[in-house]
Amino acid sequence: GDSVTQMEGPVTLSEEAFLTINCTYTATGYPSLFWYVQYPGEGLQLLLKATKADDKGSNKGFEATYRKETTSFHLEKGSVQVSDSAVYFCALSDLSYNTDKLIFGTGTRLQVFP
Amino acid sequence: SQTIHQWPATLVQPVGSPLSLECTVEGTSNPNLYWYRQAAGRGLQLLFYSVGIGQISSEVPQNLSASRPQDRQFILSSKKLLLSDSGFYLCAWSGGQRNQPQHFGDGTRLSIL
Repeated sequence: GDSVTQMEGPVTLSEEAFLTINCTYTATGYPSLFWYVQYPGEGLQLLLKATKADDKGSNKGFEATYRKETTSFHLEKGSVQVSDSAVYFCALSDLSYNTDKLIFGTGTRLQVFP
Repeated sequence: SQTIHQWPATLVQPVGSPLSLECTVEGTSNPNLYWYRQAAGRGLQLLFYSVGIGQISSEVPQNLSASRPQDRQFILSSKKLLLSDSGFYLCAWSGGQRNQPQHFGDGTRLSIL
């Protein structure tokens, strides 16, 4: 079945460092891809999305490009801030059902220190 | 705009007691609704989803049940809680079409003593 694999965390960075969180997927067909962010004690917020190959989703300085050839959707940010500390989830739309169910990765915790 | 509300935000319950968590959505009609559980330091586990009033699909066998008595109301229940039911419970909604994102509530942290 379809699945999402994220890099193990935590990812620990100093403020203003470059961030990459890897996400690869396995899917039949052409799913949409999402990144969600979860701040401590809160629910998940949609960060960005891409619906087809070569699309780039971007928001709040974060970017991710839908790479069909490598089945990847890595999250990047050029200069992280302490306020970016959170758990990041990669997800894909499940095309095996006639619904909009999503399949989530296990999440990657990011810790940014001043 | 659409909003989603979950309550309570935190809950401490003894083993064997009943549970009722409520989720409501405003600003949209006929949403798909979801209940997830997130164990400490873990990913999301989809528990139930619903595409309409009275229509509930269960993803995993467990001690919990869900109901949708109204179009924008989704309730998670248990008759007798277990220690393993502890976790962070998240409700989400989506527009019902493929490839759409889901939108999450702020969650309920449930601790079983």
